[in-house]
Amino acid sequence: VMTQSPLSLSVTPGEPASISCRSNQSLLHLDGNNYLDWYLQKPGQSPHLLIYLGSNRASGVPDRISGSGSVTDFTLQINRVGAADVGVYYCMQGLQSPYTFGQGTKLEIK
Amino acid sequence: QVQLVQSGSEVKKPGASVRVSCRTSGATFNSYTINWVRQAPGQGLEWLGGVIPLFRTTDYLQRFQDRLTITADESTRTVYMELRSLTFEDTAIFYCATGDLGGGYLDSWGPGTLVTVSS
Repeated sequence: VMTQSPLSLSVTPGEPASISCRSNQSLLHLDGNNYLDWYLQKPGQSPHLLIYLGSNRASGVPDRISGSGSVTDFTLQINRVGAADVGVYYCMQGLQSPYTFGQGTKLEIK
Repeated sequence: QVQLVQSGSEVKKPGASVRVSCRTSGATFNSYTINWVRQAPGQGLEWLGGVIPLFRTTDYLQRFQDRLTITADESTRTVYMELRSLTFEDTAIFYCATGDLGGGYLDSWGPGTLVTVSS
């Protein structure tokens, strides 16, 4: 079970935002990777990958977006939030089948 | 990165079946997994299952095991998802998404296919 918090976030442009994701089981594989990813679904669009294996940015993701954490506790940090960041953020565990998503965190701009 | 093209919207009656296709291009077909994720109206994401064309193996969310079939056609680079015995609760957008063979992340997503179950 993946639990995200908060479920909604209203951020002033230029300010940072942080989203937490907790798993009820370890996502740390024997290979040393944490199998936790972050996705963003912008309004009316398909989700897309932001962060994989806990802290690796997907192609094209700006460095003001970062992932951290290990084992069961993970955080997505977004610095200098802007209009392009609006949408719903999901964490997902990919360690074992079935892959499971968090409930989603809706980020809006104040 | 892989490009994904999905079939168009469908309207089905309760009890019917639906087949959604996902055609891939870009990377070698056997170099990734293909997964299906659904999103009910206003709801979150739910992984339903996937196929590994390289090994010709499938994996399903247990509660869909009896009515979901995912197949891959290497000759056309197309993956199909068939969901049977549809109920109103199956109304959703279905996304295909490629995954790394090492597991763990879904790095390319299709545009989604809306399936509406209505009498």
